[in-house]
Amino acid sequence: GQQVQQSPASLVLQEGENAELQCNFSTSLNSMQWFYQRPGGSLVSLFYNPSGTKHSGRLTSTTVIKERRSSLHISSSQTTDSGTYLCALDSGGNYKPTFGKGTSLVVHP
Amino acid sequence: EAAVTQSPRSKVAVTGGKVTLSCHQTNNHDYMYWYRQDTGHGLRLIHYSYVADSTEKGDIPDGYKASRPSQENFSLILELASLSQTAVYFCASSLSSYEQYFGPGTRLTVL
Repeated sequence: GQQVQQSPASLVLQEGENAELQCNFSTSLNSMQWFYQRPGGSLVSLFYNPSGTKHSGRLTSTTVIKERRSSLHISSSQTTDSGTYLCALDSGGNYKPTFGKGTSLVVHP
Repeated sequence: EAAVTQSPRSKVAVTGGKVTLSCHQTNNHDYMYWYRQDTGHGLRLIHYSYVADSTEKGDIPDGYKASRPSQENFSLILELASLSQTAVYFCASSLSSYEQYFGPGTRLTVL
């Protein structure tokens, strides 16, 4: 089945620093989605990005299918960015998404 | 904005008892999913459905049944709840293979 690896597992930043989160996958890609989750909270969709680059405020998602990776860039981090970031992807056929284990981000003031 | 609701939001069940978790979506989406989330495991797919009256097994279906009586409703059934099924359960919906929209989650504790 599809293997999804997220890195780093955890990340600590000072407010204002940038972050680069990675999601690597082992087979073909049909869909890719990035989520944000607060502790004990639900999942908020950040990007649906199966290929190319998308921007939303301080966030940028880039998916490069040939390299089997997707990244999430957070610029000028804020304390409110703290939480867990998850990627989910599907390799085709009946849509059956696989999640990575997530990156836990802590941003200190 | 897509809307997925779950009930109950939290539940305490006894070992061996029957538990039913419900999910309702008003998005007119064809796909619906049930996941469980455990510390250290991320989200894992239990069952999913792409049409009413039909369900498919996900990656960890053992100990769970699913029911999709209508396009809007998708239930997860634990016939004999066990301690290992203590987790947070999330329901989601999507339009075909496009982005998923998640419900708020149900925290299940089995004692």
